Amino acid sequence: EPEVTQTPSHQVTQMGQEVILRCVPISNHLYFYWYRQILGQKVEFLVSFYNNEISEKSEIFDDQFSVERPDGSNFTLKIRSTKLEDSAMYFCASSVIPTGPNTGELFFGEGSRLTVL
Amino acid sequence: AQKITQTQPGMFVQEKEAVTLDCTYDTSDPSYGLFWYKQPSSGEMIFLIYQGSYDQQNATEGRYSLNFQKARKSANLVISASQLGDSAMYFCAMRPHRGAGSYQLTFGKGTKLSVIP
Repeated sequence: EPEVTQTPSHQVTQMGQEVILRCVPISNHLYFYWYRQILGQKVEFLVSFYNNEISEKSEIFDDQFSVERPDGSNFTLKIRSTKLEDSAMYFCASSVIPTGPNTGELFFGEGSRLTVL
Repeated sequence: AQKITQTQPGMFVQEKEAVTLDCTYDTSDPSYGLFWYKQPSSGEMIFLIYQGSYDQQNATEGRYSLNFQKARKSANLVISASQLGDSAMYFCAMRPHRGAGSYQLTFGKGTKLSVIP
């Protein structure tokens, strides 16, 4: 069964360092997303991406964050200068189509746990 | 804006019994989708069931059913014949079908379900 894969599964970094989280969405999906979950809290939307551009982003997704689809398979989230409060589980997700009266089911990866020291 | 409320931080259920996890929502969008996801201790997010706001019948997927009461803005998840493997966090989520926010899921805080042998 096709799945969304994420690397690394866990990354520890020093505050102020740049981090890149990588995702390989399901191959026939067109819409890609990043969500994050701070330990013990709810899952929060960061950004959605379609046709090589951001379609929606939340207030969390400030100038420290960027996304890119550098080739036909990878989808990356970059945090330019990490802060302590960036420590969280970051989930990549993908879907075939997101809008309209259909399921728009998101398939999530297993997450990348980021720990900022 | 959308809001999801899950009032049960934790629930216990005896194995083989049925359990209902509560979810209420708030939205001004006329057309929207409601989702339930399961998050086991391993961390991944697993899609369980979807209900469209204009669907006439309550959604069912195997042992999962969604008790959708549109007038009350509730979308409770019912798990029948609970199994030990059902022990996990359960998140209710929604997105509008069109317009602003249609690319993003809004999640509740989750309910931790523990199945007792």
